[in-house]
Amino acid sequence: EADIYQTPRYLVIGTGKKITLECSQTMGHDKMYWYQQDPGMELHLIHYSYGVNSTEKGDLSSESTVSRIRTEHFPLTLESARPSHTSQYLCASRKGSAGAGYTFGSGTRLTVV
Amino acid sequence: TQLLEQSPQFLSIQEGENLTVYCNSSSVFSSLQWYRQEPGEGPVLLVTVVTGGEVKKLKRLTFQFGDARKDSSLHITAAQPGDTGLYLCAGGRNTGNQFYFGTGTSLTVIP
Repeated sequence: EADIYQTPRYLVIGTGKKITLECSQTMGHDKMYWYQQDPGMELHLIHYSYGVNSTEKGDLSSESTVSRIRTEHFPLTLESARPSHTSQYLCASRKGSAGAGYTFGSGTRLTVV
Repeated sequence: TQLLEQSPQFLSIQEGENLTVYCNSSSVFSSLQWYRQEPGEGPVLLVTVVTGGEVKKLKRLTFQFGDARKDSSLHITAAQPGDTGLYLCAGGRNTGNQFYFGTGTSLTVIP
């Protein structure tokens, strides 16, 4: 049973629309991450958080924003979707210890038309 | 610049064959993880190695961390169709709060 949940699983949206991708975890992990991944390709870090009210941008500039008001919730918002945002978005969390592994959600497959 | 390069990028083999996937870097990592990702799902952690030269076995999968902690390999014995997926390595540092993911190896095992 998944301990980290992403919704929606699939989303098709028009250019210029504002969208929010949801991510929630029930494990009490402090650290949460958003990755962008094209099918079968490497992961690109776009945002991360080390705890409530802590957010940082990753290596990939994706024109998105995140918030971390509660430990369990880490939503990603695209203010104005573009076709270049078409991709899979993966949310993950992990414990604070140095060698702790990531627990990933099943992802949101976003298509911007 | 990609910190971790994986090779090969794509691999297609027959069921029953053996294979090795490599994860290389010029940087030293305090630990290294391997993940497998199936289509339409998120990556799932397979193993974490933390000591230079460490070898871990998970059924038919053998993971090795290089002596200098800059590289790692994953060896699969007698591959099965269920091994099909994207294999990702990820290196972590004591000073950081994130792991750096490799470029990935897409494995297809043909029945």
